[in-house]
Amino acid sequence: GAVVSQHPSRVICKSGTSVKIECRSLDFQATTMFWYRQFPKQSLMLMATSNEGSKATYEQGVEKDKFLINHASLTLSTLTVTSAHPEDSSFYICSAHNRGTNYGYTFGSGTRLTVV
Amino acid sequence: GENVEQHPSTLSVQEGDSAVIKCTYSDSASNYFPWYKQELGKGPQLIIDIRSNVGEKKDQRIAVTLNKTAKHFSLHITETQPEDSAVYFCAASRGSGNTPLVFGKGTRLSVIA
Repeated sequence: GAVVSQHPSRVICKSGTSVKIECRSLDFQATTMFWYRQFPKQSLMLMATSNEGSKATYEQGVEKDKFLINHASLTLSTLTVTSAHPEDSSFYICSAHNRGTNYGYTFGSGTRLTVV
Repeated sequence: GENVEQHPSTLSVQEGDSAVIKCTYSDSASNYFPWYKQELGKGPQLIIDIRSNVGEKKDQRIAVTLNKTAKHFSLHITETQPEDSAVYFCAASRGSGNTPLVFGKGTRLSVIA
């Protein structure tokens, strides 16, 4: 079945540094990638939607200059958390839409980001 | 936009009993309703989904029902086992490629052996 590989699974960084998270669709073309953030014991909250080759659309309250999303190819999307602060510590999850299907959402395994 | 409400937030059942989780949605244009199981530290895993042209779907011990008129959908797990313990999320979307899933707040299911 469709697989999205997300890396890294865990990362610890210092305040002020940047962290890049990658999501790759391994056996399908992802025309659209959704990025979610999940705080402990809470639900998945949509951060942004990115379509291959175009700028991402950010949800209200999500800083586009802080959370940089690149979706340069049909198999790779990246989220860069710039100038990370402890409040950015969270679980970040990508979800790829499978091109050619109407209902195919495939999730990555998530990245646990801890900013110290 | 879409708003998905999910109840209960926590649910404890004895092994072998059934568990039911209910969700409501607000957007009448939503036509795709998946359910996800999430274990600690992992991404959500799709366990079953239903589309708006179907009222019920079953896969072994898991079933989902949909009432489009009332904008309700429910997850039913029968003969629960300890390994069913996890957080379950319902979600809704319009189903087209560039519309995201909107999630409920989750239900923490504990199956007591």
